Formats: sequence, C-alpha cells, structure tokens
Amino acid sequence: EVRLVESGGGLVKPGGSLRLSCAASGFSFNNAWMSWVRQAPGKRLEWVGLIKSKTDGGSTNYAAPVEGRFSISRDDSKNTVYLQMNSLKSEDTAFYYCTTEYCNNDRCYPPGFDPWGQGTLVTVSS
Amino acid sequence: QSALTQPASVSGSPGQSITISCTGSSSDIGGYDYVSWYQQHPGKVPKLLLYDVNNRPSGVSNRFSGSKSGNTAALTISGLQAEDEADYYCSSYSRSNTRYLFGTGTKVTVL
Repeated sequence: EVRLVESGGGLVKPGGSLRLSCAASGFSFNNAWMSWVRQAPGKRLEWVGLIKSKTDGGSTNYAAPVEGRFSISRDDSKNTVYLQMNSLKSEDTAFYYCTTEYCNNDRCYPPGFDPWGQGTLVTVSS
Repeated sequence: QSALTQPASVSGSPGQSITISCTGSSSDIGGYDYVSWYQQHPGKVPKLLLYDVNNRPSGVSNRFSGSKSGNTAALTISGLQAEDEADYYCSSYSRSNTRYLFGTGTKVTVL
C-alpha cells in the first residue's frame, strides 16, 4: 500500500522554527519528486515546494511566500522527506501535506499529485 | 500570479452537468497542458481527478472531464450526484518562480 505519513506539527511562536517529517512507504521513494502543499483552515490549497530525486539532481524549488525561510531535504535511506520552516509567520498557519507526483507506466504527471498524506497542523501564534 | 481564478461556488441539480472554470495566464495554463483537478470533501485529503487537462487516473469516474482553451481550463461534472458535493481545485505548472499554482477553489452544491 502506498502511504505518506506526516509528523512534527504543533504550536510555535512567530519567528520560531519547526521541522516536519514525511515517511513514505509502498513506492520507489528514491525516484520520486516530493512536494509539500499547505492549506490554511477553510482556505485554498497552496503549493509550498518540492525536492527532486537524487538521480535528477536533488534540487529544490519553493513558492515565493516561503522562499528563503523554508527548506526541503530528503533522506532516501529512511524514505523520509523533511520541511524545515524558519522565521514562521501567522500566515504560515495551515495543514501541511506531503505528496508526490502521480506516475503511471514509468511516466509522471505533475502537477497531478497522488497520493497525499493525512496532513499535520502547524499553528503559528503567540 | 499567486493563484488561478475559479468561481467561488457552482450548483446544480442531480443528473445535470456543471462546469467549473479555472483562469490563469500565458505563463501557466495558456503555455502548458499541465493542468490537474482535485476534489476535496470536508475534512478529507484532496483526491486527484484529472491530470494533463483531461486524463483520469484509474478509478476516477468518467463523469469527470476536462478541457482547456487559451488561458482557461474547465472541469465538467456530468450526471451530477449528491456525492459530488465538495470543493474542487485546479492546478497548473507555471514558469514563474512558483512552479505550481493552485486555484482559488470552487464549492459545488448539489441542490
């Protein structure tokens, strides 16, 4: 079974830091491009950033609102991707989902994302 | 551009067809056939409905179809059912600094 499980969310003060983890299973993680998507309560989905597979260079891309504050890394030996969030603001309060590109017959189709984790809530408040 | 534009709400009666638009620019929807659509029920994780404008992953009903013209993509739900009541989001690749954009979201109500 393909599965993504996020952890690490919680309450943090403005200006603080938090690291989210996403443990993957059931698919070839080391070949997957992993993304983080967030959703403030009652609001729209917002793509946060991605990390390519090491075979594709392992580079990262970030959405403008988090560029310079957030960083994504991966540990293929643990099938885990991380989201390090620094200088947190109240507007970063959201559910954070880990996801990967939908792939079929050895081809992947971004921004088709599937599967998704269940999400972890990050609340930035004093 | 930080988000693609969708109507806030669309409604229809059971059995009818409805269409949800998703408007972007030449830097995203207009420039690439990399448009996806998602369904999200309250409290649930988004579900991928369509990729590459009009392709359905295995298991998605053929009542969902997509199209694109210029800078606007569209999702059509035919034979509307009560279970289709949910939020729907489009997404597109963008050549801006923000690689992927999501839409503002549309709430579908089945009357």
